[in-house]
Amino acid sequence: AQSVTQLDSQVPVFEEAPVELRCNYSSSVSVYLFWYVQYPNQGLQLLLKYLSGSTLVKGINGFEAEFNKSQTSFHLRKPSVHISDTAEYFCAVTGIGSARQLTFGSGTQLTVLP
Amino acid sequence: DTGVSQNPRHKITKRGQNVTFRCDPISEHNRLYWYRQTLGQGPEFLTYFQNEAQLEKSRLLSDRFSAERPKGSFSTLEIQRTEQGDSAMYLCASSLGQGDSTEAFFGQGTRLTVV
Repeated sequence: AQSVTQLDSQVPVFEEAPVELRCNYSSSVSVYLFWYVQYPNQGLQLLLKYLSGSTLVKGINGFEAEFNKSQTSFHLRKPSVHISDTAEYFCAVTGIGSARQLTFGSGTQLTVLP
Repeated sequence: DTGVSQNPRHKITKRGQNVTFRCDPISEHNRLYWYRQTLGQGPEFLTYFQNEAQLEKSRLLSDRFSAERPKGSFSTLEIQRTEQGDSAMYLCASSLGQGDSTEAFFGQGTRLTVV
């Protein structure tokens, strides 16, 4: 079984500032890791995923994340945020070789202030 | 639009009534998932289909919940004798179960309010 902890429930940041959203996971097996974004009353959209290879993963909208196996972390970063990045962000994990159902964290609300 | 489609988008029902939601996955996707998301929480896995076979059910899926995927195409999720605690967003996702590049695509969800 897997679990995901998103350490910050809310992150306010000013426009054009950098941001980091933290995610830690636990699992008894090797995992794939994902970040999804959810806008109000919408479904989830995939930002990026880590399957294997380079631990630095680049995604859409200028986001990137780094997989750190020793710290069991997968933090999401963006060097300069925009008002349009305001949304809920979810980190998710699935066990390799499983049916790929996702275990999600509780989410981080990113609010970009003008 | 060829994404995952869910209907209805919103449903308000009285406690004790039955409700049914529909999910139309991306056409070539063989895997289909249902999740439930309550306010302020991440989605929680409910059940999973590979083609028409329901292969896994979460302990969250009580006896009042039933899901089907006839012919491995669209899926329905029925909740019988709804309770206020069933109020949530119900999300459907689909994926193509091949290799390691599997990505789950989510629909916009059905928001259920039980009054």
